[in-house]
Amino acid sequence: DVKVTQSSRYLVKRTGEKVFLECVQDMDHENMFWYRQDPGLGLRLIYFSYDVKMKEKGDIPEGYSVSREKKERFSLILESASTNQTSMYLCASNLPRGTEAFFGQGTRLTVV
Amino acid sequence: GENVEQHPSTLSVQEGDSAVIKCTYSDSASNYFPWYKQELGKRPQLIIDIRSNVGEKKDQRIAVTLNKTAKHFSLHITETQPEDSAVYFCAASRFSGGYNKLIFGAGTRLAVHP
Repeated sequence: DVKVTQSSRYLVKRTGEKVFLECVQDMDHENMFWYRQDPGLGLRLIYFSYDVKMKEKGDIPEGYSVSREKKERFSLILESASTNQTSMYLCASNLPRGTEAFFGQGTRLTVV
Repeated sequence: GENVEQHPSTLSVQEGDSAVIKCTYSDSASNYFPWYKQELGKRPQLIIDIRSNVGEKKDQRIAVTLNKTAKHFSLHITETQPEDSAVYFCAASRFSGGYNKLIFGAGTRLAVHP
């Protein structure tokens, strides 16, 4: 059974804090993604990684950074959390040849 | 940059009717078009996908059509059932070598009424 696991299901942080969201996949996938899901806006791509230490900005990278030191782990970092970053964050992974993307269970982040 | 537009944002049908969701994409080099279903409180899951060398694909009650010239693709659900109620997302990507960036539409909330 394939698995993409996000470190937290729910998270509450204070404005200005540095926040780390972790994602681990056990399928040896090259590609990993971080999306943000907001009502009416769908799944918006924050960052994308196609190999270890390789990353590319998505549509809404401002206020975020990422780290991929190992193939199985992709971290999303909020350098200084703000209330407008309150959202559901979804991690996903897939192979590079245009195949099914598998999603994590999501992290609902609230910034107060 | 790449963009995927999806319509309608909400869709309400009676059980047994058909439902159609449409998407357009901007990157003419896109070559892979998946559809995901997200039930309430759950993660998105792939229900069907199509590649650019195919015009139509069917899997039981669901089908997807692709028009590369017009850069649009559609999801068709026939004989809808209450368990089809969910949010559906289309996506487009261009895979080349090790590169496969998946861009999603804004989603369609489908409600099937008994």
